[in-house]
Amino acid sequence: ETGVTQSPTHLIKTRGQQVTLRCSSQSGHNTVSWYQQALGQGPQFIFQYYREEENGRGNFPPRFSGLQFPNYSSELNVNALELDDSALYLCASSLPGQAYNEQFFGPGTRLTVL
Amino acid sequence: TQLLEQSPQFLSIQEGENLTVYCNSSSVFSSLQWYRQEPGEGPVLLVTVVTGGEVKKLKRLTFQFGDARKDSSLHITAAQPGDTGLYLCAGAGAGSYQLTFGKGTKLSVIP
Repeated sequence: ETGVTQSPTHLIKTRGQQVTLRCSSQSGHNTVSWYQQALGQGPQFIFQYYREEENGRGNFPPRFSGLQFPNYSSELNVNALELDDSALYLCASSLPGQAYNEQFFGPGTRLTVL
Repeated sequence: TQLLEQSPQFLSIQEGENLTVYCNSSSVFSSLQWYRQEPGEGPVLLVTVVTGGEVKKLKRLTFQFGDARKDSSLHITAAQPGDTGLYLCAGAGAGSYQLTFGKGTKLSVIP
């Protein structure tokens, strides 16, 4: 069984650029959530995808957008990057029909915005 | 907005000592999860508690959910260097897809 994988591991961008981060969910998991973890903070919920549709969103602006594909993999896109977008971006998948929203996290993508 | 406050923020102890980490909120959660995160890694689920007053044990780790389901604690007995990491609590509201995380407690266990 393959766990959650994310790419790239690290990324450096400049302010105003756009970035796409990728995630492959754990085998059999059809729900994917994205979180932003700033340095010294806990993860903050960005949004969740289920059956290729956004299933809920946290307090993030529209320049944060996502996609989920038929194989349940997912992308996080961030437009017009700002310095405060520098963070660890975590993807998490969960089991279908699972009661307590237990999340299985990938290792994250470390984004630095200069 | 549901908030989770974790304390202490940092904890440095000697191997063999006991410790307790707290997670408090003014909101009621349908379930509360504890994760451990090591540098360069994503959080790893340790336990989920769902019933008020529930106590769960995982080897040397004891997790408790408050009677009112607003708070939780994690107690580690005879800490070992391998316990070092960031301990995060996360709450889920009833029917919610969203997990609310605390800021975490950074634990260092010195050999």
